[in-house]
Amino acid sequence: DARVTQTPRHKVTEMGQEVTMRCQPILGHNTVFWYRQTMMQGLELLAYFRNRAPLDDSGMPKDRFSAEMPDATLATLKIQPSEPRDSAVYFCASGPSGTPVQETQYFGPGTRLLVL
Amino acid sequence: GQNIDQPTEMTATEGAIVQINCTYQTSGFNGLFWYQQHAGEAPTFLSYNVLDGLEEKGRFSSFLSRSKGYSYLLLKELQMKDSASYLCAVRTADRRSGNTPLVFGKGTRLSVIA
Repeated sequence: DARVTQTPRHKVTEMGQEVTMRCQPILGHNTVFWYRQTMMQGLELLAYFRNRAPLDDSGMPKDRFSAEMPDATLATLKIQPSEPRDSAVYFCASGPSGTPVQETQYFGPGTRLLVL
Repeated sequence: GQNIDQPTEMTATEGAIVQINCTYQTSGFNGLFWYQQHAGEAPTFLSYNVLDGLEEKGRFSSFLSRSKGYSYLLLKELQMKDSASYLCAVRTADRRSGNTPLVFGKGTRLSVIA
């Protein structure tokens, strides 16, 4: 049963600390998305990659967030320094990217981040 | 800008039918998705529409009218396990082909009561 995995599942940290979230996409999926979910804003795109190359990171605060794909089986999202307003659930999703374009996205279980 | 509207909450009775509406105004359109999200869990894919009309999949159906910027998700024979949030999402047109980001509505929290 192929699925997206994310670690850690929960993270509590203090303001100013670095936070690193990891995602393993489904094997064979070449597109990876990072979304953030809050009660106020809902699900919002932070960044996405295709074949490990970043295609869009306009949703990320560039001064503190960074996203990378060191290899095809690992995507990382880092926040440095973290702030209380970063508290949210961070979802990684992966999907195939050929045609037709109805390819959907499969979400991981999320990382629940609380910054005190 | 991108705007996707859906009701915040709905309540329905076990065994009944419920319709969750979604209207959208986006800079482009390349398909509409419905996802189900149980509390504390990840969104899971329910349906996809890109052409006008109704798509049926078991107890769930989804309808799209592109000219009206409107979709609905129809759930029949409601069960207690259908209590969840339902997210409407649009894939906006993009020059690049393939799997591109979705713009999500804030979700409709459905409560199924006995």
